[in-house]
Amino acid sequence: AQSVTQLDSHVSVSEGTPVLLRCNYSSSYSPSLFWYVQHPNKGLQLLLKYTSAATLVKGINGFEAEFKKSETSFHLTKPSAHMSDAAEYFCVVSVRGGGGSQGNLIFGKGTKLSVKP
Amino acid sequence: DVKVTQSSRYLVKRTGEKVFLECVQDMDHENMFWYRQDPGLGLRLIYFSYDVKMKEKGDIPEGYSVSREKKERFSLILESASTNQTSMYLCASSFRGRGRGYGYTFGSGTRLTVV
Repeated sequence: AQSVTQLDSHVSVSEGTPVLLRCNYSSSYSPSLFWYVQHPNKGLQLLLKYTSAATLVKGINGFEAEFKKSETSFHLTKPSAHMSDAAEYFCVVSVRGGGGSQGNLIFGKGTKLSVKP
Repeated sequence: DVKVTQSSRYLVKRTGEKVFLECVQDMDHENMFWYRQDPGLGLRLIYFSYDVKMKEKGDIPEGYSVSREKKERFSLILESASTNQTSMYLCASSFRGRGRGYGYTFGSGTRLTVV
């Protein structure tokens, strides 16, 4: 079975400093992994996705994530935080295997990112 | 701009009422999903549908049912609302064959309060 664990429920950084949001996954298969972002009172937006191509994945708004199979991790990073990055971030794994749930998404519990001026 | 539209942004209902949450997408997507979002719990899948009149239970279907009579519309029904169903409800859609998460589009959510 697939699962995903976000290691921090809250992360606070100062504007201009690096961002690191941590995610570990569990999967019997080669996983498809995603990061979604949710700004206050908005729906979820796809930031980036890993689907067994390049292990370093670049997304929108300067974010990137590195797939590390040996560490079962898919941490999200950004070199320099901006005030507009304050939001909730979800690490997500796609369900593999047969059956009607093929391709469904399993969400982590989310990490709230605060950015201080 | 492609959209998933949820009919209500905020909803307040009384315990025991029958509640309908509506979701419409204009992208001709085959797959539609209903999630529930609670603080500290992330998103949990309630029901999903891969085609008209087709539905499958997700992880937390108890107390809910769904209806998909037309491809573009997926309704979530609370047969008898209870206070523990107070939550944010998110609808999503995607193309079949892109079920691995390529093209999930989410609505803005309906915040339901049951009093």
